[in-house]
Amino acid sequence: EAGVVQSPRYKIIEKKQPVAFWCNPISGHNTLYWYLQNLGQGPELLIRYENEEAVDDSQLPKDRFSAERLKGVDSTLKIQPAELGDSAVYLCASSLVAVRGTGELFFGEGSRLTVL
Amino acid sequence: DAKTTQPNSMESNEEEPVHLPCNHSTISGTDYIHWYRQLPSQGPEYVIHGLTSNVNNRMASLAIAEDRKSSTLILHRATLRDAAVYYCILRPNHYGGATNKLIFGTGTLLAVQP
Repeated sequence: EAGVVQSPRYKIIEKKQPVAFWCNPISGHNTLYWYLQNLGQGPELLIRYENEEAVDDSQLPKDRFSAERLKGVDSTLKIQPAELGDSAVYLCASSLVAVRGTGELFFGEGSRLTVL
Repeated sequence: DAKTTQPNSMESNEEEPVHLPCNHSTISGTDYIHWYRQLPSQGPEYVIHGLTSNVNNRMASLAIAEDRKSSTLILHRATLRDAAVYYCILRPNHYGGATNKLIFGTGTLLAVQP
């Protein structure tokens, strides 16, 4: 069974340019997460979807970041315009709706962004 | 959200057992204890979770203190492929909702020597 697929794996852009990341979750998983991971730190949640609905986007910087999950399957995360501080790894994860806090998250390999 | 405390780094020798500690003194009665690990250049992967009783699976064992304020992840025979960052995470026992998420700390970097 295919895991969570993310693209691109690596992206280098100049500041003020836009960038987009794509995520295809595991088939049948209705919950999708976007995390940001800075070097030497643990992942930080940006947004969580249950089906098409963003149920937790409190950590998403809405002035420059946007996300969508059309039809409750694939998702895209966009940054416009990118800043130097956005250089990080962007991780996508999916899970079945967690029942009593036990739902396992499956992560993709991440998209590494470098802003010059 | 309840916090966890882990050592920044640990070392082990190959084929020896490894005990990775985690303190979570503010754990609530409904929080599950989850462990994930992250190998270099990969996303985190699930290792094990538990509530009150000790748990075993093919990857590891989880020993939970009787008062639940600490837990230990046990790798019975460390291999070079076990070198990774190990995260101990508390997950609320809620069905859905804004609190149903994983909050990662900085974890423990495990180095395995041949």
